[in-house]
Amino acid sequence: GDSVTQMEGPVTLSEEAFLTINCTYTATGYPSLFWYVQYPGEGLQLLLKATKADDKGSNKGFEATYRKETTSFHLEKGSVQVSDSAVYFCALSEANSGYALNFGKGTSLLVTP
Amino acid sequence: DAMVIQNPRYQVTQFGKPVTLSCSQTLNHNVMYWYQQKSSQAPKLLFHYYDKDFNNEADTPDNFQSRRPNTSFCFLDIRSPGLGDAAMYLCATRSGNTQYFGPGTRLTVL
Repeated sequence: GDSVTQMEGPVTLSEEAFLTINCTYTATGYPSLFWYVQYPGEGLQLLLKATKADDKGSNKGFEATYRKETTSFHLEKGSVQVSDSAVYFCALSEANSGYALNFGKGTSLLVTP
Repeated sequence: DAMVIQNPRYQVTQFGKPVTLSCSQTLNHNVMYWYQQKSSQAPKLLFHYYDKDFNNEADTPDNFQSRRPNTSFCFLDIRSPGLGDAAMYLCATRSGNTQYFGPGTRLTVL
């Protein structure tokens, strides 16, 4: 079945550092890929998405590119801020499973001043 | 501006005392979901509605029920909460292939 694997956290970075959170997936069909962010005590917010190979999703300085050849959707940001501290979830959905979200385990990011 | 609204944000109940969590949406989306998220874990799908068609995940305990009286509202009923049901409960709607989440209700069971 479908699954998502993302790098273990916590990740601790200094402000203005470069961020990469790795995400790889296995899927039977042609999934859509998502990154959601969860701030402490809050629900999940859609950060970005990509629906087909080579699509790049971007938002708030974050980017991720749908790489079918490596089945990856790594999240990157060139310069993180303290306010980016949160838990980041990579997820996929497919039409043949009713678009149910299949989440990775989440990666906690802490950015220090 | 809130699109998926969950009330209350924090709910405390006693062991075995029924509790209802509510979700409403202003997006007019056909599909609504309930997830359970325990501490430091990914959300786990409990069930979803496509319009009024109810779909239960195979491993969702019988203790959890849901109602959707109309497009805008969806309720999660926990008939006899146990200590293991303490979690964040997330409601979401879907348009196309994208889900939109509410802020969640944090349930504490004493």
